[in-house]
Amino acid sequence: NAGVTQTPKFQVLKTGQSMTLQCAQDMNHEYMSWYRQDPGMGLRLIHYSVGAGITDQGEVPNGYNVSRSTTEDFPLRLLSAAPSQTSVYFCASSPLFTPSAGSEAFFGQGTRLTVV
Amino acid sequence: AQSVTQLGSHVSVSEGALVLLRCNYSSSVPPYLFWYVQYPNQGLQLLLKYTSAATLVKGINGFEAEFKKSETSFHLTKPSAHMSDAAEYFCASLDRGSTLGRLYFGRGTQLTVWP
Repeated sequence: NAGVTQTPKFQVLKTGQSMTLQCAQDMNHEYMSWYRQDPGMGLRLIHYSVGAGITDQGEVPNGYNVSRSTTEDFPLRLLSAAPSQTSVYFCASSPLFTPSAGSEAFFGQGTRLTVV
Repeated sequence: AQSVTQLGSHVSVSEGALVLLRCNYSSSVPPYLFWYVQYPNQGLQLLLKYTSAATLVKGINGFEAEFKKSETSFHLTKPSAHMSDAAEYFCASLDRGSTLGRLYFGRGTQLTVWP
């Protein structure tokens, strides 16, 4: 059971560099999202998607782009890395909301990003 | 927008003592509510969830939570703490009226368990 797979686990970038954080899920979930986790801030939503070809912004979208060309993949792109983007990034997926069950989100292991 | 508030960013208990982690929600219509746990250097794992079937919800590892509408609360408890419970705990809510599956997280509570 792979679940949600994130790569890489660790990354160091120089200011101004760009990179893509990969996220893949094998549960055929419609909903996928990216969060960043900073000390004392909990998890803040960056971008989310409710299906292939559909994305939208969360609380803190500036400096990040996403696309959803397939159900399985939801990459997060940092356009020009800044030290303020030093954080731990989590990808999550869930089925779309079902009234009787509520949508349980499944999380990847995280990507620890440092921008110097 | 709905939100959840976790009271206490750090909680310390002795092994064998009661664990109580507090969570309050703010929406006028009670949302679905979740508790997640994060062990060091890992992702989040679901402990339990409230979907209105029962107000007292039992989860994994001996944890349970009680939904109290009158107090807009969903506090997490465990009768006897174990060293392995040391982790960060997050409360989250999901709007019942939403079809988007978007979770709103609290800021987290770090639980320390002393021997």
